[in-house]
Amino acid sequence: EDKVVQSPLSLVVHEGDTVTLNCSYEVTNFRSLLWYKQEKKAPTFLFMLTSSGIEKKSGRLSSILDKKELFSILNITATQTGDSAVYLCAVERSGGGADGLTFGKGTHLIIQP
Amino acid sequence: DTAVSQTPKYLVTQMGNDKSIKCEQNLGHDTMYWYKQDSKKFLKIMFSYNNKELIINETVPNRFSPKSPDKAHLNLHINSLELGDSAVYFCASSQALGTYYEQYFGPGTRLTVT
Repeated sequence: EDKVVQSPLSLVVHEGDTVTLNCSYEVTNFRSLLWYKQEKKAPTFLFMLTSSGIEKKSGRLSSILDKKELFSILNITATQTGDSAVYLCAVERSGGGADGLTFGKGTHLIIQP
Repeated sequence: DTAVSQTPKYLVTQMGNDKSIKCEQNLGHDTMYWYKQDSKKFLKIMFSYNNKELIINETVPNRFSPKSPDKAHLNLHINSLELGDSAVYFCASSQALGTYYEQYFGPGTRLTVT
């Protein structure tokens, strides 16, 4: 059974801090790893990673995948209160389909002013 | 313009009832999905559907059934509701089956079964 484990489950930091969120996985026929941000409503897509060692970057957010060690990290630098959200990691396996995407339980990030 | 819309936003009902949640997308996408997010925020994909095939997550009870009258709509029917069905249900769409990176989510329907 595919498994995605995120850590920490929750994290409280102060504005301006840098945070690193972790996602480890076990999946058959890995295809991609995706990061989402979920505030009060629906998840919004952040990154998709397919190749090991290549950093994806968007503003203060960046992510990298290690396919050998089966994990990914999501970094947020100079955090702001608007970064407060649940960050979800999901892993897709080849073959797609309804059971082709497995989510972790998320990291609840709180940025205090 | 709303890309993916769901109705209702909130649904409170009793055990044993049958209910439906509607989903519509105006993006011209070929594929639609249903997700369930439980009280612990654990998100799970339930169905993927395009005009050629329905793919069901085998862990989903057969009380749940998606119905698609046309490409822009994928409704979720739930029979004989149980307490454990209480969750937020998200509809989503993407251009092709499995292109999760370009998925658009609806705002969610919070279902409470009493």
